[in-house]
Parts: sequence; C-alpha cells; structure tokens
Amino acid sequence: QKEVEQNSGPLSVPEGAIASLNCTYSDRGSQSFFWYRQYSGKSPELIMSIYSNGDKEDGRFTAQLNKASQYVSLLIRDSQPSDSATYLCAVKLNDYKLSFGAGTTVTVRA
Amino acid sequence: DAGVTQSPTHLIKTRGQQVTLRCSPKSGHDTVSWYQQALGQGPQFIFQYYEEEERQRGNFPDRFSGHQFPNYSSELNVNALLLGDSALYLCASSLTGQGETQYFGPGTRLLVL
Repeated sequence: QKEVEQNSGPLSVPEGAIASLNCTYSDRGSQSFFWYRQYSGKSPELIMSIYSNGDKEDGRFTAQLNKASQYVSLLIRDSQPSDSATYLCAVKLNDYKLSFGAGTTVTVRA
Repeated sequence: DAGVTQSPTHLIKTRGQQVTLRCSPKSGHDTVSWYQQALGQGPQFIFQYYEEEERQRGNFPDRFSGHQFPNYSSELNVNALLLGDSALYLCASSLTGQGETQYFGPGTRLLVL
C-alpha cells in the first residue's frame, strides 16, 4: 500500500468551476498535511498546510482534513487557466520527511 | 528575502561518473532536505540535514551522500551514476521547531547518458 495516494487524473474543469482533488494516506499517525502546486518543468510551490480536522480557507483554495477517514482534499473555486498544473499532496509523520502522492494534473479549459 | 537556491540548473553526465549538487536554504532556515523526482512521479525523500548531521534517510543506496556546512548550505553527491538516476533533484529548506514547512528550490535537472 502506498503511503499517499491521489485520485488519478488528469482532471479537466471549465473556467470558473470548482476543481476537487482528493488524497488518502496510510499512516494514522500522520501529523501534518500539505498541498503543493507544480507547473510543468518547475519545482513544487506550497499552496496550503493543514494540521487539524476541518476546513482551512485561503483565497480561492480550501483544504479539508479528516483524520478519522485518513483523507485530505483541496478545492479550487472559480478555477482559472493559471491553475492548470499538477497538484501534489504531501504528508508528514512525526518524523522529518515528506511523503508525496504521484500528483493530480488539472487542466482548466477557457 | 532570498528563497532557496540550487546549482547548477541542468547537468549532463555519463554512466559511472560522479556529480555534486548544491543548495542554499531560505534565509533564516537551518534544515535542508533533498528529494528526487522522476518524470510523472511525486518527489521521493533522499535525506535531511540538520546541525551538519544527516538526521533522516530515505530508501536510497549509499551512492547518495550529502553534507551540510556551518552556513546551513548543503551538497548532494551521487557516485557511480546510473541511467536511472536521471531526474529532477529538489532541495527543500525549513526551520526546525517551527512547523517545519518545507519550501523547495528550483531544482537541478540531471540527465545521465
């Protein structure tokens, strides 16, 4: 079983719609959760971090965490063409490394 | 506020050669982690350095080694390069004890021929 799994893409959404990305993790002891955005040929850029159950909003992005179900999600509201990228879910146990999913590629159609 | 920097940006080597990649952390950060990202995959943790010591290591062979200097900058060395070592090598910096959110540098793209 992979440590972190993301819903397979690619995900295509029309401009202005909501993009929904899901991620599940295997280790119940995981403490910290992160979403990174990676444009083609570039390095990952931090979008959000979340540590407690519930929702966390930052602009058009909302991260949701449910530790009991071991999943974390990212919603992108009012999707823009500039949101077209690969989104990486990362999970941290009580150690130091980040464990990443394979990423979900999002394409926003104008 | 200077972000994470890495050098070189691109590198081409042949099998069996050795390579050294360099990273300078974000200003104020004291911890450096290295990741390998193959095409179409998520980054894989290689190791993390703190206080000039390797603090944690991922599932990579001993051909991969590193170092951290007193100014917190770091090097990643890979010996006896294999074709499968071709990847994007990412350095991430963080501040120990402060949530330890990791911020990535631009990466070094290594091609082994």
